[in-house]
Amino acid sequence: GENVEQHPSTLSVQEGDSAVIKCTYSDSASNYFPWYKQELGKRPQLIIDIRSNVGEKKDQRIAVTLNKTAKHFSLHITETQPEDSAVYFCASFSGTYKYIFGTGTRLKVLA
Amino acid sequence: NAGVTQTPKFRVLKTGQSMTLLCAQDMNHEYMYWYRQDPGMGLRLIHYSVGEGTTAKGEVPDGYNVSRLKKQNFLLGLESAAPSQTSVYFCASSSAGSSYNSPLHFGNGTRLTVT
Repeated sequence: GENVEQHPSTLSVQEGDSAVIKCTYSDSASNYFPWYKQELGKRPQLIIDIRSNVGEKKDQRIAVTLNKTAKHFSLHITETQPEDSAVYFCASFSGTYKYIFGTGTRLKVLA
Repeated sequence: NAGVTQTPKFRVLKTGQSMTLLCAQDMNHEYMYWYRQDPGMGLRLIHYSVGEGTTAKGEVPDGYNVSRLKKQNFLLGLESAAPSQTSVYFCASSSAGSSYNSPLHFGNGTRLTVT
């Protein structure tokens, strides 16, 4: 079945360093790839997304890249800050109306 | 504009009891979803709906039923609760796109414990 693999499951970085989270999807019909941030006890919230006709998108310290050939997409956070500490989820969406989520990455930014 | 509202926020059930979780959205979204979130397993789709009067099964539908009688509401029912259904439940909605979809908007979640 369709699935999304996400790595790593945990990631610790020093404040100011960069963090990279990678996802691989299986459904070649996937055309939309959002990233969600979930703080402890709260709802997942969209932080950035990319559509299949774009290879890269940036929003301040956050960027997402997509390689459709390899079915990979990645989240890049630069100049990390303590408030970036959270669980991050990638997801893929295809024409079957379903979002398939990765299992999440717990990011810890050490001050 | 409240977005997606879930009720209740917390609930404790005994094995075998039933309950209904209510999700309401005021964004006129076509698509609605129910997910469960368990530690280390991310968000798993239970059921979803692509429009009023329609429902479909997701990855983990067993033990749950849903209804979408009105466009703005999506109900999740547990007929006979089991300890394995202890989880945090999230409702989400999104608008229907043409070639591409729009982001999911999540509710605040319902923490359910089955003893």
